[in-house]
Amino acid sequence: ILNVEQSPQSLHVQEGDSTNFTCSFPSSNFYALHWYRWETAKSPEALFVMTLNGDEKKKGRISATLNTKEGYSYLYIKGSQPEDSATYLCALIMEYGNKLVFGAGTILRVKS
Amino acid sequence: DVKVTQSSRYLVKRTGEKVFLECVQDMDHENMFWYRQDPGLGLRLIYFSYDVKMKEKGDIPEGYSVSREKKERFSLILESASTNQTSMYLCASSLLAGIYEQYFGPGTRLTVT
Repeated sequence: ILNVEQSPQSLHVQEGDSTNFTCSFPSSNFYALHWYRWETAKSPEALFVMTLNGDEKKKGRISATLNTKEGYSYLYIKGSQPEDSATYLCALIMEYGNKLVFGAGTILRVKS
Repeated sequence: DVKVTQSSRYLVKRTGEKVFLECVQDMDHENMFWYRQDPGLGLRLIYFSYDVKMKEKGDIPEGYSVSREKKERFSLILESASTNQTSMYLCASSLLAGIYEQYFGPGTRLTVT
C-alpha cells in the first residue's frame, strides 16, 4: 500500500511567522506530486502540481520544493496570515497510475 | 469559472436506506472521482471514472457503487447505508489523470443514523 506521510499533523503560528510542512513518499516510480489547500467550509483547491526532481514552484507567499530521489516535498509559507489557516494536503501519483493517494494533511492555524 | 457541484451539502439518512450522491462538472473533464474524508485520514478514493460508462474501484469501494451515464455527471450510490458510512464525501474532476490538478466540489456531509 502506497503511503504518503505529512508532518506535522497540526501547527499553530502567529501572524507574520514563516512556516513549512513536509510531505514524504516512496521515491520509486514517482510521477507527480500535488499540493492542495482546503479551507473550512470550502472546496480543496490546487496549489501546485510538481513533476521534476528539483522543481520549485511559487504562488504569492507560498512556495514548494520537490526531491524525488529522497522522496519528499516541502511547502513554505512566508509571513503567515490568518487567511492562510487551512488544511494543506499533498497527494502522490505513481508512474503508470491514474489515481492520487493523499496524505492525512497538515492543519495550519494562524493567530492574529 | 470552473465548477463542480454536489447535490447536497448535508444529508441525514437512516441505516438501510439507499442513498444517491450526485456530482456535476461543467468543464468537459474526462476524469471524475469520489472520495471520502474522515478525521485523521486523508482523502480516500472510493471510485473513479475516466470516461462515460467506465469506472474503476478505488481504495475503499466496498458498500458503494457508481454511475456515469453522461460525461458531466458522476453519481455515488450507497446501496444500503450503514453508520460506518457517516463521512464527508467529495467529488472531483480533472482533465486527464496525473499531472492535471483536480477540481473539487464543496462536499456532502452524510450522517447515517
